[in-house]
Parts: sequence; structure tokens; C-alpha cells
Amino acid sequence: AQSVTQPDIHITVSEGASLELRCNYSYGATPYLFWYVQSPGQGLQLLLKYFSGDTLVQGIKGFEAEFKRSQSSFNLRKPSVHWSDAAEYFCAVGENSGYALNFGKGTSLLVTP
Amino acid sequence: KAGVTQTPRYLIKTRGQQVTLSCSPISGHRSVSWYQQTPGQGLQFLFEYFSETQRNKGNFPGRFSGRQFSNSRSEMNVSTLELGDSALYLCASSYGQGAINEQFFGPGTRLTVL
Repeated sequence: AQSVTQPDIHITVSEGASLELRCNYSYGATPYLFWYVQSPGQGLQLLLKYFSGDTLVQGIKGFEAEFKRSQSSFNLRKPSVHWSDAAEYFCAVGENSGYALNFGKGTSLLVTP
Repeated sequence: KAGVTQTPRYLIKTRGQQVTLSCSPISGHRSVSWYQQTPGQGLQFLFEYFSETQRNKGNFPGRFSGRQFSNSRSEMNVSTLELGDSALYLCASSYGQGAINEQFFGPGTRLTVL
């Protein structure tokens, strides 16, 4: 069965520290991969996406993610976290033959001073 | 360009009632998808409409239904509400079908069933 796993439910980092959020997927074909961010009371905002090509993709707000086919992973990274990055982060997988996005359960990021 | 709008933003209903939620997509977008977000189940796909036709449906009971109008606006309806239907309902729009088309999400409608 297709699935998306975000192993970390909560992560706490200090402001200015680096960040890595993990995402693993289980799909038969090469999927389309996404990272979304959700701030309290807000909808989802797309941070970045991977369809094909260069496995390191750059997104908005200084985020990047790397697709590793051998590990079925698509981890999100940021070199220096800002307090405004505190939010819920969702990894999602989709297929072009279908439209629904399959979301992970999310990782809640807390940024401490 | 205005974003995806959802109305109302908050709703309180009682068990057994029905509710209709509305979504206005970004101008020019023809596809609208609905998702249910709960703390326990996370984000789950409800259905997707394109050109006034339901193209995909998630694993939800028949109490959940929707429709899309000729101007691409969409509504979803939940009949015979249950406590477990309390959730944030998110609408997303995109220009075309398929995951390759970026989905833009609205702020959601928070439904509370008492």
C-alpha cells in the first residue's frame, strides 16, 4: 500500500540552528513529492516540490529538500531556522495518474530562543 | 490574484444535522479538491472535481458529497453529522488535473459537531 511516513511528530530546535525533517514514502512508481507548511489557523502553503531531474530542490523561505530514491526519502532541510518557521510541516506524495495527495501525519516544529 | 476562499470559516452544528461548505478557487483554476484534517487521522482526501465532474473520491461514507458549478466554485455537503466529523475541511484548487499541477489551499472551514 502507498504510504508516507514522517517519523518525527515533534521537533524542537534553537533559533539559528540547522533543521532536517524526515519523510519516507512507499510508492510503486516514481512519485511526485511535496513539502507543505501550515501555520496555526492557516491553510497549507507549498514550500517545494520534486517531479524529476536534479534531486536537490530549492524552495521558498530558504528551504531545500533532497530526493533519495535508494532510501525512498525526501527530507526537508534549512541551514538556519528563524522563529517564524515554527509551524506544522507536511510531506505529501502524489501520482500524475491520480490527483489525490497522500499526506504524512506532519511534524510540529518548535523554535526556541 | 485572490487566493482560495472558503466560507464559512467556523461552524458549530449538532449531531444529525447537515452542513454545506463552500470553496471559491483561484480565478482560472478548474480543479477543486477537498481534504479533511483531524488530529488523529491527519489530512485525508475527500474528493476532487474538475469541469463540474467528480473525478476522484477518497474513502469516506456517502454522507459526504460535493459538487462543482460552472464557474468552478465547489460545495461539499455532510449529512447526518456525527461527532467524528469535527475537523478542519480544506479546499485546494489547481489549474489542471494531476499531481503535477500545484494545489493552492484555502484557510479551511473549522467544523465542530456537538
